[in-house]
Parts: sequence; structure tokens; C-alpha cells
Amino acid sequence: TQLLEQSPQFLSIQEGENLTVYCNSSSVFSSLQWYRQEPGEGPVLLVTVVTGGEVKKLKRLTFQFGDARKDSSLHITAAQPGDTGLYLCAGWGYGQNFVFGPGTRLSVLP
Amino acid sequence: EAGVAQSPRYKIIEKRQSVAFWCNPISGHATLYWYQQILGQGPKLLIQFQNNGVVDDSQLPKDRFSAERLKGVDSTLKIQPAKLEDSAVYLCASSLVEARGGEQYFGPGTRLTVT
Repeated sequence: TQLLEQSPQFLSIQEGENLTVYCNSSSVFSSLQWYRQEPGEGPVLLVTVVTGGEVKKLKRLTFQFGDARKDSSLHITAAQPGDTGLYLCAGWGYGQNFVFGPGTRLSVLP
Repeated sequence: EAGVAQSPRYKIIEKRQSVAFWCNPISGHATLYWYQQILGQGPKLLIQFQNNGVVDDSQLPKDRFSAERLKGVDSTLKIQPAKLEDSAVYLCASSLVEARGGEQYFGPGTRLTVT
């Protein structure tokens, strides 16, 4: 059973555009993390969100944790080719193992 | 600070053969994780060690997979015998503490192809 779902699965945009990717679950998570993974490398942690409704910003990236702690979003402003990669959400559900979503594969074209 | 090291980076074997992967975590990191990432999917946790003890191996296919972390530092993951569906990238990660919300540092992975 996939505890975390991500959408869209693939996204191809032009440099300078804005985008939002989503991470959803039917379960409550004590915390959620977002990672970015580039080809041939392991995932790299971008942010951890813990509190329902929390918003964190990392330069052009804005992360939000849903009020009910069942969903999260990642918004990128003015995307750049360097943002290309696989974006994964992951977290611990209550009483659950640490689980990753299937990821959103982002391609930013120059 | 050196990152998580894994070897080999690539391995091709035939089904029913055996294979082993090695991981050297970041120095001082007590917690070590092995993940399986099948093409097009997110990583799946196989086993988690705290020092040299197993914390969680509920998703490890124990009939063919085994892992050990002798002396609480390096770790090996073995598959014996391999099946076609074991083709995947095997990622090792380590963290300073075993705490929810803690940061895991990942190695580059070993890409296994079973033919």
C-alpha cells in the first residue's frame, strides 16, 4: 500500500515559470520531508515540516504542511534548469515505517 | 566531511546468483539504513540499524536478503539467490541520531541488474 501519493508524476516547464507539486496521504504524518534526487545520486534533504499549517522557505522554494498533517506542497518560483530532478516527499506516519512517495520528475528547459 | 560511501556502483548478475553491497556511513553516525529503489518509484526502507542492532527489518525479504553491521560502523547487504525483480538501486543512508525528523544522508547507491 502506497501511503504517500505525489502529483504530477512528470512535469516539464520552461525556465522562469512557477510550479507546484503535491504530496498527499490518507494518513496523518508526524512530520514530512522533501528530498531532491539527481540521476546517479542519492536523495538530498531539502526541508522537514513538523507542525500543521507550517510554511518554510528555502530561496525560491516554498514548502507547506497541511493543517491536518496529511498533505504537503512544494512551490518553486521562477524555476531554473538547476531545479531539474526527482522531488520526493517522505515521512513517518504514526505507527508506520519511514516511507517515501513515488516522486515528481521535474524538467526545467532553458 | 566525507559522505556515505557505497560499493560497487554497478553490478550485473544472473538470476539465482549471489551479490553483496557494502556501505561505509558518515563517521559518528549511529543509525544506518538500506533502501531499495526500483525504477520509477521512491526508495523503500529495507532495514534500519542503530549501532549494530536492528531497529526495523519488517520490509526485508528475509528468505533471500540479509544485512549486518558488525562493530556498528560498516554494513553489508546480501541477496542470495537473486531474482529478476531485485533489479533496482540499493541506497545506503546514515543519520547522527535515530530521531523522527532527523536528516538522513544518502550514498550514491549501487545499481543492480539481474538478468
